[in-house]
Amino acid sequence: QVQLVQSGAEVKKPGASVKVSCKASGYTFTGYYMHWVRQAPGQGLEWMGWINPNSGGTNYAQKFQGWVTMTRDTSISTAYMELSRLKSDDTAVYYCARDGELHTLDYWGQGTLVTVSS
Amino acid sequence: QSALTQPRSVSGSPGQSVTISCTGTSSDVGGYNYVSWFQQHPGKAPKLMIYDVYKRPSGVPDRFSGSKSGNTASLTISGLQAEDEANYYCCSYAGSYTLVFGGGTKLTVL
Repeated sequence: QVQLVQSGAEVKKPGASVKVSCKASGYTFTGYYMHWVRQAPGQGLEWMGWINPNSGGTNYAQKFQGWVTMTRDTSISTAYMELSRLKSDDTAVYYCARDGELHTLDYWGQGTLVTVSS
Repeated sequence: QSALTQPRSVSGSPGQSVTISCTGTSSDVGGYNYVSWFQQHPGKAPKLMIYDVYKRPSGVPDRFSGSKSGNTASLTISGLQAEDEANYYCCSYAGSYTLVFGGGTKLTVL
Protein backbone atom coordinates (compact mmCIF):
# COMPACT_ATOMS: atom_id res chain seq x y z
CA GLN A 1 0.00 0.00 0.00
CA VAL A 2 1.06 3.55 -0.67
CA GLN A 3 2.77 5.20 2.29
CA LEU A 4 4.46 8.55 2.75
CA VAL A 5 6.49 8.75 5.95
CA GLN A 6 7.90 12.12 6.95
CA SER A 7 10.76 13.05 9.23
CA GLY A 8 10.24 14.12 12.82
CA ALA A 9 9.43 17.44 14.39
CA GLU A 10 12.02 20.22 14.26
CA VAL A 11 12.71 23.31 16.34
CA LYS A 12 14.67 26.04 14.60
CA LYS A 13 15.80 29.56 15.38
CA PRO A 14 14.79 32.51 13.20
CA GLY A 15 17.07 32.82 10.20
CA ALA A 16 17.94 29.13 10.12
CA SER A 17 16.92 26.57 7.50
CA VAL A 18 14.97 23.34 7.82
CA LYS A 19 14.91 20.28 5.59
CA VAL A 20 11.95 17.90 5.83
CA SER A 21 12.01 14.46 4.23
CA CYS A 22 9.20 12.33 2.83
CA LYS A 23 9.94 8.66 2.17
CA ALA A 24 7.61 6.96 -0.30
CA SER A 25 6.79 3.27 -0.49
CA GLY A 26 4.24 1.04 -2.12
CA TYR A 27 4.46 2.59 -5.60
CA THR A 28 6.96 3.73 -8.22
CA PHE A 29 8.40 6.90 -6.69
CA THR A 30 9.45 8.40 -10.03
CA GLY A 31 6.00 7.92 -11.52
CA TYR A 32 4.13 10.66 -9.66
CA TYR A 33 4.76 14.27 -8.73
CA MET A 34 5.14 15.11 -5.04
CA HIS A 35 3.58 18.25 -3.62
CA TRP A 36 4.28 20.09 -0.39
CA VAL A 37 1.53 21.80 1.60
CA ARG A 38 1.81 23.60 4.92
CA GLN A 39 -0.65 24.43 7.68
CA ALA A 40 0.05 27.04 10.33
CA PRO A 41 -1.49 26.39 13.78
CA GLY A 42 -5.26 26.75 13.60
CA GLN A 43 -5.06 27.86 9.98
CA GLY A 44 -5.86 26.45 6.56
CA LEU A 45 -3.83 24.56 3.99
CA GLU A 46 -1.32 26.43 1.85
CA TRP A 47 0.14 24.95 -1.32
CA MET A 48 3.92 25.39 -1.62
CA GLY A 49 4.85 23.62 -4.84
CA TRP A 50 5.80 20.30 -6.39
CA ILE A 51 8.71 18.25 -7.60
CA ASN A 52 8.80 15.77 -10.45
CA PRO A 53 10.81 12.93 -8.91
CA ASN A 54 11.68 11.58 -12.35
CA SER A 55 13.32 14.69 -13.76
CA GLY A 56 13.90 16.74 -10.63
CA GLY A 57 11.91 19.58 -12.16
CA THR A 58 10.08 21.83 -9.73
CA ASN A 59 7.32 24.41 -9.65
CA TYR A 60 6.97 26.65 -6.61
CA ALA A 61 4.13 28.89 -5.53
CA GLN A 62 5.07 32.48 -6.20
CA LYS A 63 5.16 33.25 -2.48
CA PHE A 64 7.89 30.68 -1.88
CA GLN A 65 10.12 31.30 -4.90
CA GLY A 66 13.69 31.99 -3.85
CA TRP A 67 12.98 30.66 -0.42
CA VAL A 68 12.05 27.00 -0.81
CA THR A 69 13.99 24.20 -2.46
CA MET A 70 12.47 20.82 -3.30
CA THR A 71 14.77 17.94 -4.16
CA ARG A 72 14.66 14.18 -4.29
CA ASP A 73 16.86 11.11 -3.98
CA THR A 74 15.45 8.43 -6.25
CA SER A 75 17.80 5.77 -4.81
CA ILE A 76 15.88 5.89 -1.54
CA SER A 77 12.49 7.07 -2.87
CA THR A 78 12.62 10.20 -0.76
CA ALA A 79 11.55 13.76 -1.46
CA TYR A 80 12.85 16.75 0.48
CA MET A 81 11.60 20.26 1.16
CA GLU A 82 14.04 22.84 2.46
CA LEU A 83 12.87 26.24 3.66
CA SER A 84 15.47 28.90 4.38
CA ARG A 85 15.55 32.19 6.31
CA LEU A 86 12.92 30.92 8.69
CA LYS A 87 10.65 33.35 10.49
CA SER A 88 8.26 32.74 13.39
CA ASP A 89 5.29 32.66 11.03
CA ASP A 90 6.84 29.69 9.23
CA THR A 91 5.82 27.65 12.27
CA ALA A 92 3.52 25.07 10.73
CA VAL A 93 2.90 21.44 9.96
CA TYR A 94 4.44 20.60 6.60
CA TYR A 95 2.87 17.81 4.54
CA CYS A 96 4.04 15.97 1.47
CA ALA A 97 1.28 14.66 -0.79
CA ARG A 98 1.39 12.48 -3.89
CA ASP A 99 -0.22 13.64 -7.13
CA GLY A 100 -1.52 10.22 -8.11
CA GLU A 101 -3.50 8.40 -10.76
CA LEU A 102 -6.48 10.61 -10.08
CA HIS A 103 -4.40 13.71 -10.85
CA THR A 104 -5.01 15.09 -7.41
CA LEU A 105 -3.44 14.77 -3.98
CA ASP A 106 -4.46 11.22 -3.18
CA TYR A 107 -2.00 10.21 -0.45
CA TRP A 108 -0.55 12.42 2.26
CA GLY A 109 2.29 12.09 4.72
CA GLN A 110 1.60 12.30 8.43
CA GLY A 111 2.96 15.84 8.61
CA THR A 112 6.07 17.35 10.18
CA LEU A 113 5.77 20.13 12.76
CA VAL A 114 8.39 22.83 12.31
CA THR A 115 8.58 25.32 15.16
CA VAL A 116 10.52 28.54 14.68
CA SER A 117 11.35 30.20 17.94
CA SER A 118 14.20 32.13 19.44
CA GLN B 1 -2.82 33.50 -5.95
CA SER B 2 -5.55 34.35 -3.45
CA ALA B 3 -7.10 31.60 -1.39
CA LEU B 4 -10.50 30.37 -2.47
CA THR B 5 -13.39 31.61 -0.33
CA GLN B 6 -15.21 29.18 1.93
CA PRO B 7 -17.63 29.83 4.80
CA ARG B 8 -15.82 29.59 8.11
CA SER B 9 -18.38 27.21 9.55
CA VAL B 10 -21.51 25.24 8.78
CA SER B 11 -23.60 22.96 10.92
CA GLY B 12 -26.35 20.39 10.66
CA SER B 13 -28.12 17.72 12.64
CA PRO B 14 -27.58 14.00 12.09
CA GLY B 15 -29.44 12.83 9.00
CA GLN B 16 -29.65 16.30 7.48
CA SER B 17 -27.76 17.65 4.47
CA VAL B 18 -25.24 20.47 4.39
CA THR B 19 -23.54 22.23 1.51
CA ILE B 20 -20.16 23.94 1.66
CA SER B 21 -19.34 26.49 -1.02
CA CYS B 22 -15.96 27.35 -2.49
CA THR B 23 -15.74 30.53 -4.55
CA GLY B 24 -12.84 31.40 -6.77
CA THR B 25 -12.36 33.13 -10.10
CA SER B 26 -12.30 32.29 -13.79
CA SER B 27 -8.56 31.68 -13.37
CA ASP B 28 -9.07 28.76 -11.03
CA VAL B 29 -12.45 27.21 -10.07
CA GLY B 30 -14.29 28.65 -13.05
CA GLY B 31 -11.61 27.89 -15.58
CA TYR B 32 -10.99 24.19 -14.97
CA ASN B 33 -12.88 21.09 -13.87
CA TYR B 34 -10.15 20.26 -11.41
CA VAL B 35 -11.65 20.94 -8.00
CA SER B 36 -10.94 18.58 -5.12
CA TRP B 37 -12.29 18.44 -1.60
CA PHE B 38 -10.41 17.24 1.45
CA GLN B 39 -11.63 16.26 4.90
CA GLN B 40 -9.35 16.88 7.87
CA HIS B 41 -9.97 15.73 11.40
CA PRO B 42 -8.02 17.50 14.17
CA GLY B 43 -4.41 16.40 14.32
CA LYS B 44 -4.73 14.28 11.18
CA ALA B 45 -3.60 14.63 7.59
CA PRO B 46 -6.17 15.69 4.99
CA LYS B 47 -8.12 12.95 3.21
CA LEU B 48 -9.31 13.18 -0.40
CA MET B 49 -13.11 13.06 -0.64
CA ILE B 50 -13.94 14.47 -4.10
CA TYR B 51 -11.84 15.14 -7.21
CA ASP B 52 -12.49 16.55 -10.67
CA VAL B 53 -15.46 18.48 -9.22
CA TYR B 54 -17.75 15.51 -8.60
CA LYS B 55 -15.82 12.21 -8.69
CA ARG B 56 -15.45 10.09 -5.57
CA PRO B 57 -12.36 7.98 -4.84
CA SER B 58 -13.09 4.40 -3.92
CA GLY B 59 -14.06 4.04 -0.30
CA VAL B 60 -15.68 7.47 0.03
CA PRO B 61 -19.40 7.14 0.86
CA ASP B 62 -21.86 8.32 -1.78
CA ARG B 63 -23.27 10.69 0.85
CA PHE B 64 -20.50 13.02 -0.35
CA SER B 65 -21.11 14.76 -3.65
CA GLY B 66 -19.57 17.67 -5.52
CA SER B 67 -20.73 20.14 -8.11
CA LYS B 68 -19.74 23.41 -9.74
CA SER B 69 -21.47 26.40 -11.23
CA GLY B 70 -19.43 29.21 -12.70
CA ASN B 71 -16.72 30.22 -10.25
CA THR B 72 -18.25 28.39 -7.29
CA ALA B 73 -17.81 24.74 -6.40
CA SER B 74 -19.87 23.00 -3.75
CA LEU B 75 -19.57 19.95 -1.53
CA THR B 76 -22.79 18.44 -0.28
CA ILE B 77 -22.91 15.92 2.53
CA SER B 78 -26.23 14.17 2.90
CA GLY B 79 -27.37 11.95 5.77
CA LEU B 80 -24.96 13.69 8.16
CA GLN B 81 -23.19 11.45 10.63
CA ALA B 82 -21.23 12.35 13.74
CA GLU B 83 -18.00 11.20 12.09
CA ASP B 84 -18.45 13.82 9.36
CA GLU B 85 -17.59 16.54 11.87
CA ALA B 86 -14.28 17.88 10.58
CA ASN B 87 -12.69 20.69 8.61
CA TYR B 88 -13.22 20.66 4.85
CA TYR B 89 -10.96 22.28 2.27
CA CYS B 90 -11.49 22.84 -1.42
CA CYS B 91 -8.55 22.92 -3.79
CA SER B 92 -8.46 24.00 -7.42
CA TYR B 93 -6.01 23.92 -10.27
CA ALA B 94 -5.05 27.54 -10.89
CA GLY B 95 -3.14 27.35 -14.16
CA SER B 96 0.61 27.20 -14.77
CA TYR B 97 0.72 23.88 -12.92
CA THR B 98 -0.21 25.50 -9.60
CA LEU B 99 -2.86 24.73 -7.00
CA VAL B 100 -4.80 26.94 -4.62
CA PHE B 101 -6.69 25.94 -1.48
CA GLY B 102 -9.73 27.41 0.18
CA GLY B 103 -9.56 28.79 3.69
CA GLY B 104 -11.40 25.82 5.14
CA THR B 105 -14.84 25.22 6.64
CA LYS B 106 -15.52 23.72 10.04
CA LEU B 107 -18.49 21.36 9.92
CA THR B 108 -20.27 20.83 13.22
CA VAL B 109 -22.75 17.98 13.59
CA LEU B 110 -25.23 19.15 16.19
